[in-house]
Amino acid sequence: ILNVEQSPQSLHVQEGDSTNFTCSFPSSNFYALHWYRWETAKSPEALFVMTLNGDEKKKGRISATLNTKEGYSYLYIKGSQPEDSATYLCAFPDNTDKLIFGTGTRLQVFP
Amino acid sequence: NAGVTQTPKFQVLKTGQSMTLQCAQDMNHNSMYWYRQDPGMGLRLIYYSASEGTTDKGEVPNGYNVSRLNKREFSLRLESAAPSQTSVYFCASTLDRDVGGYTFGSGTRLTVV
Repeated sequence: ILNVEQSPQSLHVQEGDSTNFTCSFPSSNFYALHWYRWETAKSPEALFVMTLNGDEKKKGRISATLNTKEGYSYLYIKGSQPEDSATYLCAFPDNTDKLIFGTGTRLQVFP
Repeated sequence: NAGVTQTPKFQVLKTGQSMTLQCAQDMNHNSMYWYRQDPGMGLRLIYYSASEGTTDKGEVPNGYNVSRLNKREFSLRLESAAPSQTSVYFCASTLDRDVGGYTFGSGTRLTVV
């Protein structure tokens, strides 16, 4: 079973701080890398699906980069707001078409 | 615009009881999935269905069965519930996974006592 690792496990920042976290995945046989945002008591929502090395995607204050050769993706949040508090999951499809999820980075933004 | 609908939202079972978790999507998605989420474990795939009429085991299928009743519906059955199956269960679906990602239901919190 492939391993998708996320770090840090949790993060506490002040409102207005910018932050980033990492997803590491196997660099061989790359298909795609997914990022999801998961708010407490809600269901995960897709943020980005990235497929190309060097890809950079942006949605508002959140952006993500992808390095398939070295097997990592960064998620950046610029000027964090309390509503950004959530768990951010990354996921990587294995060679049998199953999406393998990391355990997530739990972000808390304090006013 | 319902998306993925899961029922029930909460359930308490006694050990040995059976139940079926229902999932339906109205987005004409081909693929559907059942995941369980446990503290510190992340989302783990139980079963999936790549298309109507097909089902396959995921990472943790033991103790579960599934039925892809039609393109819209994918149910998960616990034949004889065990305390180890206490978890939050999520159904998900996708039309093209590596374009739009998954759409998740709101989850079912199951407690087996």
